[in-house]
Amino acid sequence: EPEVTQTPSHQVTQMGQEVILRCVPISNHLYFYWYRQILGQKVEFLVSFYNNEISEKSEIFDDQFSVERPDGSNFTLKIRSTKLEDSAMYFCATGGNEQFFGPGTRLTVL
Amino acid sequence: KNEVEQSPQNLTAQEGEFITINCSYSVGISALHWLQQHPGGGIVSLFMLSSGKKKHGRLIATINIQEKHSSLHITASHPRDSAVYICAFLKTSYDKVIFGPGTSLSVIP
Repeated sequence: EPEVTQTPSHQVTQMGQEVILRCVPISNHLYFYWYRQILGQKVEFLVSFYNNEISEKSEIFDDQFSVERPDGSNFTLKIRSTKLEDSAMYFCATGGNEQFFGPGTRLTVL
Repeated sequence: KNEVEQSPQNLTAQEGEFITINCSYSVGISALHWLQQHPGGGIVSLFMLSSGKKKHGRLIATINIQEKHSSLHITASHPRDSAVYICAFLKTSYDKVIFGPGTSLSVIP
């Protein structure tokens, strides 16, 4: 069964560093999403992406964040100058009316 | 105001018990997901439904669109069912998913 994959599974970084989280969507999916879950809190929407551009973003998704699909397969979330409060699980999802979630990347900012 | 609420927040059950988790939402939706999240953190989609009832193994999900309410039932619960169960929905097709707060289930042998 096709699945969404994410790398790395766990990323530890120093505050102020840049990180790139990667997602490989299911091959025929055209809609892509990033969500995050801070420990102990509910999952929250960051951004949706379709046709090589952002279709919607939340208040959380400020200039520190960017997304792209650089090679037609990977879908990436870049966080510039990470902050302590960026520590969370980041989930990629693809699909449309039914979304398929990746296993998540646990980001720890020290 | 939260657009989606779940009850109970926490639930402890004895192995073999029948379990019900409820979800209420306040807006029109396109589809509703029931998701499972284990302590490791990954999210697994259990059901997507827009009307009626679906069954998969020991899991049953129902939705009442008019009452804006959905339930997840687990029959013959087992310790491996211990997880957080999340109700989530889309307002329209291809929209972002809005997540509920989750119900933490612990099934004791």
